[in-house]
Amino acid sequence: SQKIEQNSEALNIQEGKTATLTCNYTNYSPAYLQWYRQDPGRGPVFLLLIRENEKEKRKERLKVTFDTTLKQSLFHITASQPADSATYLCALAPNDYKLSFGAGTTVTVRA
Amino acid sequence: GAVVSQHPSWVICKSGTSVKIECRSLDFQATTMFWYRQFPKQSLMLMATSNEGSKATYEQGVEKDKFLINHASLTLSTLTVTSAHPEDSSFYICSASLAVLTDTQYFGPGTRLTVL
Repeated sequence: SQKIEQNSEALNIQEGKTATLTCNYTNYSPAYLQWYRQDPGRGPVFLLLIRENEKEKRKERLKVTFDTTLKQSLFHITASQPADSATYLCALAPNDYKLSFGAGTTVTVRA
Repeated sequence: GAVVSQHPSWVICKSGTSVKIECRSLDFQATTMFWYRQFPKQSLMLMATSNEGSKATYEQGVEKDKFLINHASLTLSTLTVTSAHPEDSSFYICSASLAVLTDTQYFGPGTRLTVL
């Protein structure tokens, strides 16, 4: 069966450190992978998209890697700030426009 | 740009009543809109996909007679939960995209439904 697993439910880090989140998938052949931020009681907000032929994408303090051989994406928040505290979701789109989401990793950045 | 709104943001209703949730794209025309449901600490689950002017396509296991979707215009889609029961209590989120088969979806803020 198809699965999207995000490595941990929660991640607590000190301000200024780098948070690294993992998204592993099985039985998918995604054309692209996306990362979203979701705050409590709110809808997801798009952060980054990386396509199957791209290895790495950056946006400000965010970096995403995509390894289709390992079937894994890593999401990094560098120089983390308390305002980065949220749940981060990865989502796959296997060759069509429908998104399948992971359960998310909740990041808490301590001041 | 690309703002999606939902109304209401929360609703409480009695068991057996019907509830309508609106999803609007405020500054763009949305060819395709999606409806998701999210239970606490779980992932978003796609319920259905709707294209303007045509019938919605429902995901496996989603009752089309219970969750009525209407995409009457390029800026408005509605989800009606008919004869709601406590197990329908959830966070309902819509998203919209500019074109069919596009990779970017813009999400609404969600609607919290509580059925007593």
